[in-house]
Amino acid sequence: DGGITQSPKYLFRKEGQNVTLSCEQNLNHDAMYWYRQDPGQGLRLIYYSQIVNDFQKGDIAEGYSVSREKKESFPLTVTSAQKNPTAFYLCASSSTGGTEAFFGQGTRLTVV
Amino acid sequence: AQRVTQPEKLLSVFKGAPVELKCNYSYSGSPELFWYVQYSRQRLQLLLRHISRESIKGFTADLNKGETSFHLKKPFAQEEDSAMYYCAPLLTGTASKLTFGTGTRLQVTL
Repeated sequence: DGGITQSPKYLFRKEGQNVTLSCEQNLNHDAMYWYRQDPGQGLRLIYYSQIVNDFQKGDIAEGYSVSREKKESFPLTVTSAQKNPTAFYLCASSSTGGTEAFFGQGTRLTVV
Repeated sequence: AQRVTQPEKLLSVFKGAPVELKCNYSYSGSPELFWYVQYSRQRLQLLLRHISRESIKGFTADLNKGETSFHLKKPFAQEEDSAMYYCAPLLTGTASKLTFGTGTRLQVTL
């Protein structure tokens, strides 16, 4: 079954700890994206990648890091430097060239 | 600065009434424009894109380059249209960057 999978669905972490969110796709898409969704602020782009071993900062990259070692995987690490990490995180993928983006079901991260 | 604006956070209409969800963009170059929708408890998904010029679920969106707008319209709202709608410009090139507006929640009531 093709698609994009985020795990886990819910994640709880203590303040000061780094945490990594998983995003995997089997759609053979080159482009992958990470967004943060907060009430009233829409989706804000954290990082995006067009090709393996390459990625660019989005609009709110501070306190986050990513890697793109494999085409199908684009994990996001929320570091202790992120001042307000509690949020809903969405991963997406698309073919290059302006086509439809497919989204995961999201990970809700709560930092206590 | 590159910016996409959806001025209404909430739009409430009666069933059968016309709907217009506004989107204005300010981008250098010519972005491709999309509307995405998120129904309750479902994933965010593509509703329509401007280059296809099609009508999906009765919705249409016309790109007005002069006004830099891409408003989403439907002549008669249905209850099942209640959802969160996002306007999304895509800048293509060496690094395609897909960004989203702040979203408009459409509430269709009886």
